[in-house]
Amino acid sequence: ETGVTQTPRHLVMGMTNKKSLKCEQHLGHNAMYWYKQSAKKPLELMFVYNFKEQTENNSVPSRFSPECPNSSHLFLHLHTLQPEDSALYLCASSQDRRQSIYADTQYFGPGTRLTVL
Amino acid sequence: DQQVKQNSPSLSVQEGRISILNCDYTNSMFDYFLWYKKYPAEGPTFLISISSIKDKNEDGRFTVFLNKSAKHLSLHIVPSQPGDSAVYFCAASADSNYQLIWGAGTKLIIKP
Repeated sequence: ETGVTQTPRHLVMGMTNKKSLKCEQHLGHNAMYWYKQSAKKPLELMFVYNFKEQTENNSVPSRFSPECPNSSHLFLHLHTLQPEDSALYLCASSQDRRQSIYADTQYFGPGTRLTVL
Repeated sequence: DQQVKQNSPSLSVQEGRISILNCDYTNSMFDYFLWYKKYPAEGPTFLISISSIKDKNEDGRFTVFLNKSAKHLSLHIVPSQPGDSAVYFCAASADSNYQLIWGAGTKLIIKP
């Protein structure tokens, strides 16, 4: 496996379900990100982890819960979601947010297409 | 209120011609700008970037121009090829905050 992988690629869940999205990066990066992309809207940054520590949480509802056990893996735990949470969820990684003068180049996974019924 | 705007949801260009994708921003603190390209069922991939100390950056067929006074940047693709058909996202960041602020994307269609 190379690059950034995400599983599952597609997920359909009811509002009472609990599910998790998984992201794995094979690039040796130290920063990982979760984004939400709704149709015809800009990518919305949800969470950032740098060296396994959460550095940003952009006012994301608590029904989304991230977990970063190590620099290579990132999870997004989902529970009691709403239909408006249906979107493409993208994971990204970058080298190290503390080292660059400018924003790191981010490398994205293919995304998980989530549908909440 | 969107800080990064891509006002054209789609653009259709003849193969071999120049494609020009535009992006406007409102935050004068932005000092670094990136273009990403996204194919269906794939994540965005980095294309080219420019810092605010420059007004042009070129990489092969791709050139990004930055007009700081107008708060405008553009991506030129010459010549356009069928494989360039994709959604192009503009993103920006400010020195004080490395968070990327994204535009909504422009879908580029290259006609044979």
